[in-house]
Amino acid sequence: DQQVKQNSPSLSVQEGRISILNCDYTNSMFDYFLWYKKYPAEGPTFLISISSIKDKNEDGRFTVFLNKSAKHLSLHIVPSQPGDSAVYFCAASEEGGAQKLVFGQGTRLTINP
Amino acid sequence: DTAVSQTPKYLVTQMGNDKSIKCEQNLGHDTMYWYKQDSKKFLKIMFSYNNKELIINETVPNRFSPKSPDKAHLNLHINSLELGDSAVYFCASSQWGASGRLAYNEQFFGPGTRLTVL
Repeated sequence: DQQVKQNSPSLSVQEGRISILNCDYTNSMFDYFLWYKKYPAEGPTFLISISSIKDKNEDGRFTVFLNKSAKHLSLHIVPSQPGDSAVYFCAASEEGGAQKLVFGQGTRLTINP
Repeated sequence: DTAVSQTPKYLVTQMGNDKSIKCEQNLGHDTMYWYKQDSKKFLKIMFSYNNKELIINETVPNRFSPKSPDKAHLNLHINSLELGDSAVYFCASSQWGASGRLAYNEQFFGPGTRLTVL
């Protein structure tokens, strides 16, 4: 039973345009959400996070939106750059969950020049 | 100056063998993890140690035994390897916050070890 789902295995976006990656979750106890970026043959690297007390967090070109009622979050990258081409993982954790991160299966983002 | 390192990067072995993967972090973190990324690309937690104490032990066969000799190291030993153990194994580390919760839950990952069981 996947508690965190990324339903789009891949996404292709033109350079300079906005990339929107989506993530859905089922566990209402999740209260912290993170996005990780992964290049081939490397480990995931932390990108941005959001607490459930917020509905938006912004860091440079990256913005994460959280819709708790819909149990949905999204990552916006604008403008998209070729270096953004990678696999993006959504992850979630719950208070008292012993810091266990539950990951989605990832979305491969390709930025076309 | 690698933050989280794993050895080996690649491991090819026969079914039934016993193998170990080593992980070291130089970030001064007090919590370390092992994750498994299977063929469907899901990253799933296996174990977590905080200050050398096991705090997360997911439903993992007891053929898998983590060992943490100190806060900077978390090794994974696998006995009697099976075909289904083939995966990429990632080590990660993080720091607990003053509230008893991870500061921002950010975990730093190693580059992964690709295990292939033949």
